[in-house]
Amino acid sequence: EAQVTQNPRYLITVTGKKLTVTCSQNMNHEYMSWYRQDPGLGLRQIYYSMNVEVTDKGDVPEGYKVSRKEKRNFPLILESPSPNQTSLYFCASSVTWTGGNSPLHFGNGTRLTVT
Amino acid sequence: AQKVTQAQTEISVVEKEDVTLDCVYETRDTTYYLFWYKQPPSGELVFLIRRNSFDEQNEISGRYSWNFQKSTSSFNFTITASQVVDSAVYFCALERPSGTYKYIFGTGTRLKVLA
Repeated sequence: EAQVTQNPRYLITVTGKKLTVTCSQNMNHEYMSWYRQDPGLGLRQIYYSMNVEVTDKGDVPEGYKVSRKEKRNFPLILESPSPNQTSLYFCASSVTWTGGNSPLHFGNGTRLTVT
Repeated sequence: AQKVTQAQTEISVVEKEDVTLDCVYETRDTTYYLFWYKQPPSGELVFLIRRNSFDEQNEISGRYSWNFQKSTSSFNFTITASQVVDSAVYFCALERPSGTYKYIFGTGTRLKVLA
């Protein structure tokens, strides 16, 4: 089954404890991206990747890191999480980055709470 | 500035009523793409439709229809004869295929369809 898989689904952690949210897609998609969803703010793009080893900042990259060493994986790293990073996170992928050729396929989301 | 505005935060209708969700966008690009996504109570994000800036034809898919008007920078979504299963948060999104390949989402409209 074609899908984007995020893990974990739920995560509670403490301020400053490094964490990684994994994202993997099995559709051979070139484009992958991370979003956070907050009440009243909709979805905001954190980072995106147009292909292996090519990543760039979205609208809210502060406090996050990403890497794209393999086409299928795009982990989101919080080196020192803070309470303002408590949010619902989505990973997404699409066939290519060439504008509108395919929609985003989203993972099921990761609800992160930082205390 | 690139922006997507969904002014309706929440809409409640009674089953079988028609409802229109508004989406207004801002962009200086001449080529761009617009999307609608649905987020049901289960939380996943589901693609509904995409439209490129050169295609102003309205589209109908079953009970769903979309009205794209470049003159007013709007991409509105109408559900005819709404059903309880239509209850969800609906997001409008803008993708810029040039420059930084960013997706910009609106803040979403929560639709409640009451039986």
